[in-house]
Formats: sequence, structure tokens, C-alpha cells
Amino acid sequence: DTAVSQTPKYLVTQMGNDKSIKCEQNLGHDTMYWYKQDSKKFLKIMFSYNNKELIINETVPNRFSPKSPDKAHLNLHINSLELGDSAVYFCASSQDGRLSYTFGSGTRLTVV
Amino acid sequence: GQQLNQSPQSMFIQEGEDVSMNCTSSSIFNTWLWYKQDPGEGPVLLIALYKAGELTSNGRLTAQFGITRKDSFLNISASIPSDVGIYFCAGQLAGGSEKLVFGKGTKLTVNP
Repeated sequence: DTAVSQTPKYLVTQMGNDKSIKCEQNLGHDTMYWYKQDSKKFLKIMFSYNNKELIINETVPNRFSPKSPDKAHLNLHINSLELGDSAVYFCASSQDGRLSYTFGSGTRLTVV
Repeated sequence: GQQLNQSPQSMFIQEGEDVSMNCTSSSIFNTWLWYKQDPGEGPVLLIALYKAGELTSNGRLTAQFGITRKDSFLNISASIPSDVGIYFCAGQLAGGSEKLVFGKGTKLTVNP
């Protein structure tokens, strides 16, 4: 059983399209995150949800909209995709404020 | 500021050698964590440190939470080929939100 699972693993799409990435965790964690890893491997937080409530929203274009239907799921919808959105997007979860994240295996988004 | 300075950026070593990498910041951290990322996968937690001065081992890995709370190091002893990957330090800023700030990574190559 995968602890944090993301779908799809790969996503190739044209500029201007709208796409979604899904994330589910079966660890019973209360907090979920989206991180973006750029081509230089730098990991930067985008959003964090705790029990379905948004608690962190870094400076991210409003084309990116996270949605958490329940505490086990955190999806990321991206409107009007741009070339600069190409990156690997990681979902993660944590429990009890200790921040020892468990990461998913990532979604490689390529915008052409 | 919040930035973590991780060094070295990359290392090329022979199998059996010991490795040391570190992270420093001008800010104080409550938590330090070390992750390893294999190609095509998400970062995996190696060691978590929660108190200043804490020294923790995980097999051949040893990490310490600096006494000033502004730095941490990771040592790998007797490296083996499967140690290859990118190692990230991450920390939670004191007085900051519940998110991790990541270093830029150390890419380790082990020659058999």
C-alpha cells in the first residue's frame, strides 16, 4: 500500500490547457502539502492544508487552486498552463506538527 | 533570511569513503531533517532532529542539530553505491509557520 500516492506520474500538455493532479494519503495524517521542484531540484512549498483547511498559501499564481475534499486528499488544479509551470510537483503529508513529511513520488508536468 | 545554505553542491567519492555535508542559516530553526531523493522518486526521510545539540544515528548515517540552532550536518560512513542520490536538509524556522524550508541539495556520486 502506497502511503502517499499521486496521479498522474507524468503529464504532458499544451500551453493554455487546464489540468489537475490528485493526491491521496492513507497514513491518517492531518496535514497535506504541495511542493514544486524546479529543474535545479529546489523544493519550494506552495500550499498546506490541515483537516481540509488552507493554512499555508505561498506566493503562487492564482491559476493554481488546491482543493481538499477530506483530510486524506489534496488535489491541485492548474488553469491556463504556462511553459514556466513545467516542474515536478510533490504532495506530502505529516502528523502532529513534527513536520517529518512523507512525500509522494511526484508528478512530472511538462508544458509544451 | 529563511534560506538554507547547503554544501557541498555535489560530491564524487570512492566506495568506502566517509561523506560529510552540512546546512547553515542566519536564522534559528526548531527542527532539522535530512532527506534523500532517488531519481524519479520523492524525498525519503533519513533522520529527524528536534532539539539543539541532538546527535542521531540511522545505520551508517549520523546527523546533528547544531547547538546554535542555525546549522546541521549529516555524515555517511563507509559509503556504498546505493548511497548515490540527492540529499536535502530541511528545517522549520523558529516562530515560523508549520512548513519546511529546504536546502538546495547535495548530489552524491559513489564510484565503485
